[in-house]
Amino acid sequence: DAKTTQPPSMDCAEGRAANLPCNHSTISGNEYVYWYRQIHSQGPQYIIHGLKNNETNEMASLIITEDRKSSTLILPHATLRDTAVYYCIVRVGYGNKLVFGAGTILRVKS
Amino acid sequence: GAVVSQHPSRVICKSGTSVKIECRSLDFQATTMFWYRQFPKQSLMLMATSNEGSKATYEQGVEKDKFLINHASLTLSTLTVTSAHPEDSSFYICSATPAPNTEAFFGQGTRLTVV
Repeated sequence: DAKTTQPPSMDCAEGRAANLPCNHSTISGNEYVYWYRQIHSQGPQYIIHGLKNNETNEMASLIITEDRKSSTLILPHATLRDTAVYYCIVRVGYGNKLVFGAGTILRVKS
Repeated sequence: GAVVSQHPSRVICKSGTSVKIECRSLDFQATTMFWYRQFPKQSLMLMATSNEGSKATYEQGVEKDKFLINHASLTLSTLTVTSAHPEDSSFYICSATPAPNTEAFFGQGTRLTVV
């Protein structure tokens, strides 16, 4: 799986948008970009994934650049409960293992 | 979304004993499940891939005789930590994917403390 690079930590004010970047410059054409988050002492929670097009769901939006070498996860209105470690992962299709990097610690502050 | 359940959520055992952790997919079948270990302030580290009806595939550096994996049905995988030692104390997490090109779902994790 392609390696990803994320900033180690970010702060965001409550109610503002949180924009979390991820670089995956060696991504292959059949690799998806997945985002998960992990709140302390819990299993990771799926957020969103995409291949080429931008995606949006009830939790977040995923913006993937045209060359697919980077992406941004957007939490439109961050709350204190969004404080977590956010992982950007690229993987090929079904059944393939997820390899976690260090992730970004997002701290939402009031 | 799909549900993956782990049991127990927390266990304390004595050094030298064995501990079994269960991972169940509650509303889907999973031919493949994955086991991870996470030490404090570190990321998840993949330990092994559990394959239904066949042997597990272990990542480099993970002792297969110490971490026994059994995937006897399409909804259950078990991880047994044999002859546990304090250095095996960690957060163990499993995951499974219900369908091709979809997200993986994770269990809530098992906190193992070996005393």
